[in-house]
Amino acid sequence: DTEVTQTPKHLVMGMTNKKSLKCEQHMGHRAMYWYKQKAKKPPELMFVYSYEKLSINESVPSRFSPECPNSSLLNLHLHALQPEDSALYLCASSQEHDRRFFHGYTFGSGTRLTVV
Amino acid sequence: AQKVTQAQTEISVVEKEDVTLDCVYETRDTTYYLFWYKQPPSGELVFLIRRNSFDEQNEISGRYSWNFQKSTSSFNFTITASQVVDSAVYFCALSEKGETSGSRLTFGEGTQLTVNP
Repeated sequence: DTEVTQTPKHLVMGMTNKKSLKCEQHMGHRAMYWYKQKAKKPPELMFVYSYEKLSINESVPSRFSPECPNSSLLNLHLHALQPEDSALYLCASSQEHDRRFFHGYTFGSGTRLTVV
Repeated sequence: AQKVTQAQTEISVVEKEDVTLDCVYETRDTTYYLFWYKQPPSGELVFLIRRNSFDEQNEISGRYSWNFQKSTSSFNFTITASQVVDSAVYFCALSEKGETSGSRLTFGEGTQLTVNP
């Protein structure tokens, strides 16, 4: 299995809702990532988990709460979002960044989130 | 801090023309990786190539070729005999190891390529 699976593919939520985005991989990758992509912009890194521990948080607002319950799963919990948080949320996974054996990142197809 | 610059915001060509997408990067690390991704309108990021900082060999894959020049910090991408299906946004990206663990992949702003019939 060489895929990263993201669910749901589309999500519409109100500003008072709580929802979660899910990401799953079975490639044995020990690093997992959340990216946010606004229309006509590049993906921007939000969080990095390495061996199930949060290693990078790019100063993301607390209304976004990541969770890595095990080495195959990555969640992004959403609460009290704003309309400007509407975007494509991409999950990715990779091996650790070893100089000899790093093969790059596998991206999921994303969750398109609309906050109303 | 690492940075990737894609100076061409939009490129429009006619089918069968050759087109080169430019990418210039900045990094203080000696070990890094460079990538090109294609993002069609459907939104998924399609991996095209990975190049590590130790290997300056250029690469050709079918109609695609890449020119990595460490001396000028550039990693340019050429499509030969372009086709309408090549129309997409193309991102150049740079990966460095994180300060503690994990790694940080930084994207350029992207180049919107439109290939007209």
